[in-house]
Amino acid sequence: AQSVTQPDIHITVSEGASLELRCNYSYGATPYLFWYVQSPGQGLQLLLKYFSGDTLVQGIKGFEAEFKRSQSSFNLRKPSVHWSDAAEYFCAVGAMDSSYKLIFGSGTRLLVRP
Amino acid sequence: DTGVSQDPRHKITKRGQNVTFRCDPISEHNRLYWYRQTLGQGPEFLTYFQNEAQLEKSRLLSDRFSAERPKGSFSTLEIQRTEQGDSAMYLCASSRQGTDSPLHFGNGTRLTVT
Repeated sequence: AQSVTQPDIHITVSEGASLELRCNYSYGATPYLFWYVQSPGQGLQLLLKYFSGDTLVQGIKGFEAEFKRSQSSFNLRKPSVHWSDAAEYFCAVGAMDSSYKLIFGSGTRLLVRP
Repeated sequence: DTGVSQDPRHKITKRGQNVTFRCDPISEHNRLYWYRQTLGQGPEFLTYFQNEAQLEKSRLLSDRFSAERPKGSFSTLEIQRTEQGDSAMYLCASSRQGTDSPLHFGNGTRLTVT
């Protein structure tokens, strides 16, 4: 069965510091992978997605993620964090059958120190 | 692209009452999804529609839950005889058909059952 693990429940970084959020997945075939961000009381906004091709994908707001098949990982990175990046981040894997539904991890809450 | 719209944003109800939520997807999207998100967790898939046909339902969707999309446009999610365990954020998402079309989420309806 497909599953997504985000091992860090909370991460705190200083503004201007680099960021890496971890995501590991379990999926029987080549996965479709996503990162979403959710601000308090809001829905989810797509940051980036990986379907195929270049394993380093660029997203919005200066985020990038790298797909590593050998490690079953899809970690999210940003070189310099801004206070406005404080939010909850969800990694998801797409079940690429006819339904195209997403399986989400439990999320990582990012806190940014001034 | 006006985004996915959900109504109401918040609903407080007493246990045993029925509630109905509405979702208006992005107009050119023929797929519509309902997810449920409880505190501290990632969203969990409930059901999805392709046009007016409900093609998949999760085991999470008990017989007290019913979703409709009568004309292939907006959708409603009804919960009958609400229980305290139904308290959650109910998220709607839509997408085009096709494996490279990501889900766009609305801001959700927060349900509190007292």
